[in-house]
Amino acid sequence: DVKVTQSSRYLVKRTGEKVFLECVQDMDHENMFWYRQDPGLGLRLIYFSYDVKMKEKGDIPEGYSVSREKKERFSLILESASTNQTSMYLCASSQLRLAGAYNEQFFGPGTRLTVL
Amino acid sequence: RKEVEQDPGPFNVPEGATVAFNCTYSNSASQSFFWYRQDCRKEPKLLMSVYSSGNEDGRFTAQLNRASQYISLLIRDSKLSDSATYLCVVGHAGGSQGNLIFGKGTKLSVKP
Repeated sequence: DVKVTQSSRYLVKRTGEKVFLECVQDMDHENMFWYRQDPGLGLRLIYFSYDVKMKEKGDIPEGYSVSREKKERFSLILESASTNQTSMYLCASSQLRLAGAYNEQFFGPGTRLTVL
Repeated sequence: RKEVEQDPGPFNVPEGATVAFNCTYSNSASQSFFWYRQDCRKEPKLLMSVYSSGNEDGRFTAQLNRASQYISLLIRDSKLSDSATYLCVVGHAGGSQGNLIFGKGTKLSVKP
């Protein structure tokens, strides 16, 4: 059974703290993604990675960075957390895109982050 | 124009009803299409892929109309357990490796 796990289900941090969100997948997928999901705004892509040490900015990368040192692990870093980063953060993974087709993304359970 | 548009709902239907959702996409070069389901406070999960010829999985039928650039999902004989948000998802040429575009979702509530 495919699995994407995230380090925490709920997290409460203070403004200015450095926050690490970890994601691990056991499917040997090349692609990994970080999204945030807010009411009325849907899923918004923050960053994605298609290989170890490779990363690309998504739609809303400001205030975030990522790290992918191993194929199975993709970390999202909030360098200095702010209240507007309070959100649900979802990690996903997928196989490498085949010509003419996009593969299903598998999601982790999400981390609900509150920044006070 | 938004890349993937859906009616947010909510669609409130009685058990046993048939309900249909539509979704439009803006990029005519789109190549892959999916419906995902997201339960309250849970992660999205793939419901079904959408193929050019249309496809069916039990009570669920998905259709693709490339000429009009829309995708539909039909749910027959609705169950209480079908209550969820349904996300329309599109992958298009020119997108980066594995990148999909998610609609904001249509909320369905099935009542007894």
